[in-house]
Amino acid sequence: DAMVIQNPRYQVTQFGKPVTLSCSQTLNHNVMYWYQQKSSQAPKLLFHYYDKDFNNEADTPDNFQSRRPNTSFCFLDIRSPGLGDAAMYLCATSRGAASNTEAFFGQGTRLTVV
Amino acid sequence: QQQVKQSPQSLIVQKGGISIINCAYENTAFDYFPWYQQFPGKGPALLIAIRPDVSEKKEGRFTISFNKSAKQFSLHIMDSQPGDSATYFCAASNSSASKIIFGSGTRLSIRP
Repeated sequence: DAMVIQNPRYQVTQFGKPVTLSCSQTLNHNVMYWYQQKSSQAPKLLFHYYDKDFNNEADTPDNFQSRRPNTSFCFLDIRSPGLGDAAMYLCATSRGAASNTEAFFGQGTRLTVV
Repeated sequence: QQQVKQSPQSLIVQKGGISIINCAYENTAFDYFPWYQQFPGKGPALLIAIRPDVSEKKEGRFTISFNKSAKQFSLHIMDSQPGDSATYFCAASNSSASKIIFGSGTRLSIRP
């Protein structure tokens, strides 16, 4: 049973055309994360939500935005994708409690920019 | 301060051997140290994790050794199997900040 679901698994978008990736969770976790992972590299944190509180990483480009309309869903919006934004985008969740920060990852969305 | 340094970048081990991956951190506020396993085309999955109040944690063939004074921790895979071939990431988090910082990853290949 998938607990963190990302859609779509594969996304092809045109250079400069806005694209939205989605993530949903059935775990009722407080925290939802978006990571960018390029080939053979570690996942890089873009931002995360703790409930409705948005936390942006200092080096995340303005081109990347996020929305969390409710506990279950979180979206990653790329306003004007460039060729350098081609990557695997990973959504993850965690309880966020001090006693348990285990993160659960989705399968990822592989974004191709043409 | 926020970095987690991981080595080696790649590792080849014979079937049945011991695989050892090392990580080091700087930020003493980190209080949770997980290891993730990632297969190609999949998201990372939690393998095993440790908190700094213990020096070792073992789950089956997987053991984390933790040295708080040296700010280092390592993953040992005993009796390595071809199915263990994957990329392994160490990570660290500060539970009050809810952020998880990943090491650079180790691509492990187990030779039959």
